[in-house]
Amino acid sequence: DQQVKQNSPSLSVQEGRISILNCDYTNSMFDYFLWYKKYPAEGPTFLISISSIKDKNEDGRFTVFLNKSAKHLSLHIVPSQPGDSAVYFCAASEETSGSRLTFGEGTQLTVNP
Amino acid sequence: NAGVTQTPKFQVLKTGQSMTLQCAQDMNHEYMSWYRQDPGMGLRLIHYSVGAGITDQGEVPNGYNVSRSTTEDFPLRLLSAAPSQTSVYFCASSFVLPLTSDTDTQYFGPGTRLTVL
Repeated sequence: DQQVKQNSPSLSVQEGRISILNCDYTNSMFDYFLWYKKYPAEGPTFLISISSIKDKNEDGRFTVFLNKSAKHLSLHIVPSQPGDSAVYFCAASEETSGSRLTFGEGTQLTVNP
Repeated sequence: NAGVTQTPKFQVLKTGQSMTLQCAQDMNHEYMSWYRQDPGMGLRLIHYSVGAGITDQGEVPNGYNVSRSTTEDFPLRLLSAAPSQTSVYFCASSFVLPLTSDTDTQYFGPGTRLTVL
């Protein structure tokens, strides 16, 4: 049972445009959500997170939106840059499980110059 | 401050062989975990530990053993390797707490690419 799903395996956008990566979850107990970025041959690195008490969190070019009623979150990257090309993983946790994270399948983002 | 380190970077095993993947962190994190990454399946939790002497199973624990004798180290053992264990393995660490802050996160090592023939 995949509790966190990223339905788009890949996304291609032009440099300077907006990239929107989507993530859906089924466990209503999840209360904290994170996005990780992964380059080839490297470990995932933390990008941005959001607590369930918020509906938006912004950090520079990156904004995460959370719609709890729809159990959906999205990552917006504006403007997209070629260096943003990577695999993006959505992850979620619930307070009772402490630091344990459940990950989605990942979305390969390609930003074309 | 090296963060999370993993050795080896690459390994090729024959079916039935055993080996240990090493993981160490120098951030005094209580929580450590092992994931495997397979195409189209994201990162799946194998085992985790909330402190020295305490370990527990994740989603896909079969075929793997762990122990946590120190805060810094969390080795993953494959007792009898199988081709289904061909994967990229990541170790991660963090402080044990509910992740509720904008800065709470897990830190990942660079990964070990394992091939079982």
